[in-house]
Amino acid sequence: RKEVEQDPGPFNVPEGATVAFNCTYSNSASQSFFWYRQDCRKEPKLLMSVYSSGNEDGRFTAQLNRASQYISLLIRDSKLSDSATYLCVVMNSGYSTLTFGKGTMLLVSP
Amino acid sequence: ETGVTQTPRHLVMGMTNKKSLKCEQHLGHNAMYWYKQSAKKPLELMFVYNFKEQTENNSVPSRFSPECPNSSHLFLHLHTLQPEDSALYLCASSQDMQNEAFFGQGTRLTVV
Repeated sequence: RKEVEQDPGPFNVPEGATVAFNCTYSNSASQSFFWYRQDCRKEPKLLMSVYSSGNEDGRFTAQLNRASQYISLLIRDSKLSDSATYLCVVMNSGYSTLTFGKGTMLLVSP
Repeated sequence: ETGVTQTPRHLVMGMTNKKSLKCEQHLGHNAMYWYKQSAKKPLELMFVYNFKEQTENNSVPSRFSPECPNSSHLFLHLHTLQPEDSALYLCASSQDMQNEAFFGQGTRLTVV
């Protein structure tokens, strides 16, 4: 089983739609979780951290389910500028580095 | 945003060439990383430096040689590369190894 798994997509949605991505991770000892966004031919940029209690930042909501070992990202009222690849990132316990998923591509159309 | 700066942005090199990639971070971070991103693959961690000491080398071939002269600079020296080494090479830094990482814009490398 891969350490971090994501549906590669693409998810094609119209402007204004709500879309959700899930990501599963294999290491139950993982402690920190993030969503990064990567535009075509650009570097990944931190979108938001994912906290145990769930967190929201404007139109974006992140949730963590430790029992089932998955995290989710919900985007409400999609904008054209949300089109990008969304990377699920997991950090294991202790001094460990980030493990990236392959990413989920989102395409928002007019 | 210029917190992490990489040069050059693009590089084409022959298999017998020697070149170096440079990364500089202005964020006061203690950890720096080299990642490789190939098409259809997740980011692959190559090297980690924490307080200028190399803490991880993910079975990277010796034709890639990192150097960290101080906590704000990181180099990746390249020699006798193969065409399959063509990829986007990303530098990142983090406050320490338990925090999120911030990436440079990457060097798109083509080996011919």
